[in-house]
Amino acid sequence: NAGVTQTPKFQVLKTGQSMTLQCAQDMNHEYMSWYRQDPGMGLRLIHYSVGAGITDQGEVPNGYNVSRSTTEDFPLRLLSAAPSQTSVYFCASSYASNRVRTEAFFGQGTRLTVV
Amino acid sequence: DAKTTQPPSMDCAEGRAANLPCNHSTISGNEYVYWYRQIHSQGPQYIIHGLKNNETNEMASLIITEDRKSSTLILPHATLRDTAVYYCIARNSGGYQKVTFGTGTKLQVIP
Repeated sequence: NAGVTQTPKFQVLKTGQSMTLQCAQDMNHEYMSWYRQDPGMGLRLIHYSVGAGITDQGEVPNGYNVSRSTTEDFPLRLLSAAPSQTSVYFCASSYASNRVRTEAFFGQGTRLTVV
Repeated sequence: DAKTTQPPSMDCAEGRAANLPCNHSTISGNEYVYWYRQIHSQGPQYIIHGLKNNETNEMASLIITEDRKSSTLILPHATLRDTAVYYCIARNSGGYQKVTFGTGTKLQVIP
């Protein structure tokens, strides 16, 4: 059971480049989310999904796109990278609220630097 | 989700109990209290959760006041590996679990 897998672990981008951060979970969780964490800060929600085909914005969605074509995958796309997007990105997943165990499981993060 | 308030930092001597407080005075009746921790920029890790009864698992104990306006996470015998940022979150039991994190409490376990 791999849990939540994020790739890549590290990435350096030039300003204006685009890229996709990958997130996959093998626990059949309905809910998936993306967070960013800046140095010394808490986690801020970027986008989330309540199931395949359904996504919504979190606190800081600008500059990011998501889609959820399958239950397992929830990629995060940076459209045109900016230095302000330098951060650590975490993906999380959890079961729906009508289940016994609803805690979130997190990936190990993608450390992104935009130069 | 109800807003939670935690002290920014705490110290604890190794081997002693670490008691981490959380205030959630606006919590509603169907909101659970969840605790997570984040060790050195790793992904956050679930610790424990509860609604109104005290809870205990292999990692910690959770004490929720009778009025549910505050709670305390207890690590009974803190070790150096418990040095981490601890997050307290109040989450609605219905609908999507859009988990919002604050800045948490930085616990430093001192040898």
